[in-house]
Amino acid sequence: EAQVTQNPRYLITVTGKKLTVTCSQNMNHEYMSWYRQDPGLGLRQIYYSMNVEVTDKGDVPEGYKVSRKEKRNFPLILESPSPNQTSLYFCASSLSFPGNNEQFFGPGTRLTVL
Amino acid sequence: EDQVTQSPEALRLQEGESSSLNCSYTVSGLRGLFWYRQDPGKGPEFLFTLYSAGEEKEKERLKATLTKKESFLHITAPKPEDSATYLCAVQATSGGSYIPTFGRGTSLIVHP
Repeated sequence: EAQVTQNPRYLITVTGKKLTVTCSQNMNHEYMSWYRQDPGLGLRQIYYSMNVEVTDKGDVPEGYKVSRKEKRNFPLILESPSPNQTSLYFCASSLSFPGNNEQFFGPGTRLTVL
Repeated sequence: EDQVTQSPEALRLQEGESSSLNCSYTVSGLRGLFWYRQDPGKGPEFLFTLYSAGEEKEKERLKATLTKKESFLHITAPKPEDSATYLCAVQATSGGSYIPTFGRGTSLIVHP
């Protein structure tokens, strides 16, 4: 089954404790991205990757890091989480540039930073 | 700056009561406009892509249309299972930006 998976689905942590949210897709997609969704603000892109070893900032990259060492994986790293990073996070992938292709979204990771 | 405004924020319909959701956008050049459906606690699910004014696409009870300033998602004879949040997003051509802009969504509830 074609899908985007994220882990963990739920995470409660404390300020400053480094964490990684994994994302994997099995569709051989080139483009992958991370979004956060907050009430009343809609989806905002954090980082995106056009292909392996190619990443770039989205609209809200502060406090986040990403890496793309393999085509299928695109982990999101919070080096020192803060309460304002409490949010619902989605990973997404598309065949290539999303202007021409639909994005497939993962099930989401709900993060709470205390 | 690209902008997407969706209206209404929330819509309640009776089963069978047709209606439309609006997505107004401002971009210097439109590469594509997307509609997604999002169920509570789940990731958005792709519905349609529209590329140029005058284009229309249909899927079951849903029909999406596009003008140079806005897009409509028409829902014909909705059923309770159509209840969800509908998201609109645009991808611009200008400046080589690869960042899509999403609207805040319209929350649709269809009562049986």
